[in-house]
Amino acid sequence: GAGVSQSPRYKVAKRGQDVALRCDPISGHVSLFWYQQALGQGPEFLTYFQNEAQLDKSGLPSDRFFAERPEGSVSTLKIQRTQQEDSAVYLCASSSNRGGRNEQYFGPGTRLTVT
Amino acid sequence: DAKTTQPTSMDCAEGRAANLPCNHSTISGNEYVYWYRQIHSQGPQYIIHGLKNNETNEMASLIITEDRKSSTLILPHATLRDTAVYYCIVRVGGYSGAGSYQLTFGKGTKLSVIP
Repeated sequence: GAGVSQSPRYKVAKRGQDVALRCDPISGHVSLFWYQQALGQGPEFLTYFQNEAQLDKSGLPSDRFFAERPEGSVSTLKIQRTQQEDSAVYLCASSSNRGGRNEQYFGPGTRLTVT
Repeated sequence: DAKTTQPTSMDCAEGRAANLPCNHSTISGNEYVYWYRQIHSQGPQYIIHGLKNNETNEMASLIITEDRKSSTLILPHATLRDTAVYYCIVRVGGYSGAGSYQLTFGKGTKLSVIP
């Protein structure tokens, strides 16, 4: 079956540009997570949605980062006025939460390079 | 979430069992042990999780000590495709409908399967 998909897979942005990263979760999955992974590090939590509600955005590094999931399915992570320190892989994950199961299924990530 | 400690790297001969240890001495009674792995340039992949009993699935076995302060992930017959970074994560399991269930990744163990 279809897994989590993300687009674009690679994005190069000039410093100061805005970018939008898309995540298509597994159909029917209630929970959606965004993570940021710097080179050589483990992923770090950014934000969490339950359906369309953003219940936790404690990991967003600054107010330049904004995420939305308006219809409880597709999600977009937007970064305004990109900086070089935003260069990383951005990972999206979803989970069903049915039957108490909450293992997360990850997409392949979007590699963002800010020049 | 409780903190975990894993070796930085390990080697395993192809066809042999790979045993990956994890220490989680501050684990709480309601926290599960989860294992994920990340193959180069891919998103993390769920492997297995457990509370206190040993668990086995088609990918691996998880052995948790009686005091729950440590665990071992076992890949019974390692192949070259098992070369990856393996993350041991401790967090509240199940799903209660409230709160966020983000994963807190450390640096993991880089497992290299040698031909």
